[in-house]
Amino acid sequence: SAVISQKPSRDICQRGTSLTIQCQVDSQVTMMFWYRQQPGQSLTLIATANQGSEATYESGFVIDKFPISRPNLTFSTLTVSNLSPEDSSIYLCSVEDPQGEQYFGPGTRLTVT
Amino acid sequence: AQSVAQPEDQVNVAEGNPLTVKCTYSVSGNPYLFWYVQYPNRGLQFLLKYITGDNLVKGSYGFEAEFNKSQTSFHLKKPSALVSDSALYFCAVRDPYYTGRRALTFGSGTRLQVQP
Repeated sequence: SAVISQKPSRDICQRGTSLTIQCQVDSQVTMMFWYRQQPGQSLTLIATANQGSEATYESGFVIDKFPISRPNLTFSTLTVSNLSPEDSSIYLCSVEDPQGEQYFGPGTRLTVT
Repeated sequence: AQSVAQPEDQVNVAEGNPLTVKCTYSVSGNPYLFWYVQYPNRGLQFLLKYITGDNLVKGSYGFEAEFNKSQTSFHLKKPSALVSDSALYFCAVRDPYYTGRRALTFGSGTRLQVQP
């Protein structure tokens, strides 16, 4: 199974600022995914990030608000821009291994004040 | 579009008793089904998956799940619950490979509480 780390593990940010979350995997993977888990809720997919191509965003999520980079096969970043209290969530990255299993990072807990 | 439903917000069971966490799905084509567990302040951990083959799938920590095509269900089970099993459990589905969409769609989650 892949080992995934995320930085930061948590942060408190002011309204109107931005936060960039890093996701590092210990092996090369084609697909990486970014999810959001709002307080007390399930996970919702934000976007799929393939190396060498633009990220594919789900309905309700736009690149201006959630820009994603995928510079290589082991790393990705998600930026949450122009923060509002509604962005307070846990953000998780995940990868899929060749057996079709998805593994998740520990998450980044964002609180917007 | 595919979806999964977890009809119970919370399941309470006494330690040592069998547990079941329910999940039903709606997909076009053959389903790819998963169970994950989330402990407090931790990420999601993969428990098991069904893609094809035996309807009874065995996974981590003594958990198993039964795929039932006629009832479109994929219930998670364990013969004897432990207090340490108390956590949030998510059922998830993924589109078949031919769709090209590989991300997961999650159910709403079920909180399992095992009483000593």
